[in-house]
Amino acid sequence: DQQVKQNSPSLSVQEGRISILNCDYTNSMFDYFLWYKKYPAEGPTFLISISSIKDKNEDGRFTVFLNKSAKHLSLHIVPSQPGDSAVYFCAANWGGSEKLVFGKGMKLTVNP
Amino acid sequence: SQTIHQWPATLVQPVGSPLSLECTVEGTSNPNLYWYRQAAGRGLQLLFYSVGIGQISSEVPQNLSASRPQDRQFILSSKKLLLSDSGFYLCAWRVNRAGELFFGEGSRLTVL
Repeated sequence: DQQVKQNSPSLSVQEGRISILNCDYTNSMFDYFLWYKKYPAEGPTFLISISSIKDKNEDGRFTVFLNKSAKHLSLHIVPSQPGDSAVYFCAANWGGSEKLVFGKGMKLTVNP
Repeated sequence: SQTIHQWPATLVQPVGSPLSLECTVEGTSNPNLYWYRQAAGRGLQLLFYSVGIGQISSEVPQNLSASRPQDRQFILSSKKLLLSDSGFYLCAWRVNRAGELFFGEGSRLTVL
């Protein structure tokens, strides 16, 4: 049972445009959502997170939106840069749990 | 500052051989530690986690095992490797209550 889903395996955008990465979840107990970025042959690095009591969190070029009623979150990258090309993982957690649940990831390619 | 180290970085092993991957964390005490695996074309799969010395929780039944002999040391082992054990193994420690994880550099295992 996949509790965190990233249904699109890849996305390609032009440099300077917006990248929108989507994520759906099934467990209504999740109260923290996180995005990670991963380059090949490296460990994932934390990008941005959002608590379930918020609907938006912004950090520089990165903004995460949370729609609890739809059990959906998205990561917006504006403007996209070639260095943003990587695999992005959506993850979720709930209070008291020791485990972070990851989606399968989505490969973003930003073309110069 | 906190750091996390994994070794070896790359490993090529024959089927049926043993395995030992090590992970050490510095700059923190009594961390929650995790082993994840990223298989080719797949997401991040949680294998084991530990909340303290000698305490191991297994997420996926398989021929792998984990041990935590010291507070800041986490070891992933196998007595006999399978072809399906090939993948990128990641050690991580939990940074905060939101579930944010800080990952090591990863260990690439190829079983031939």
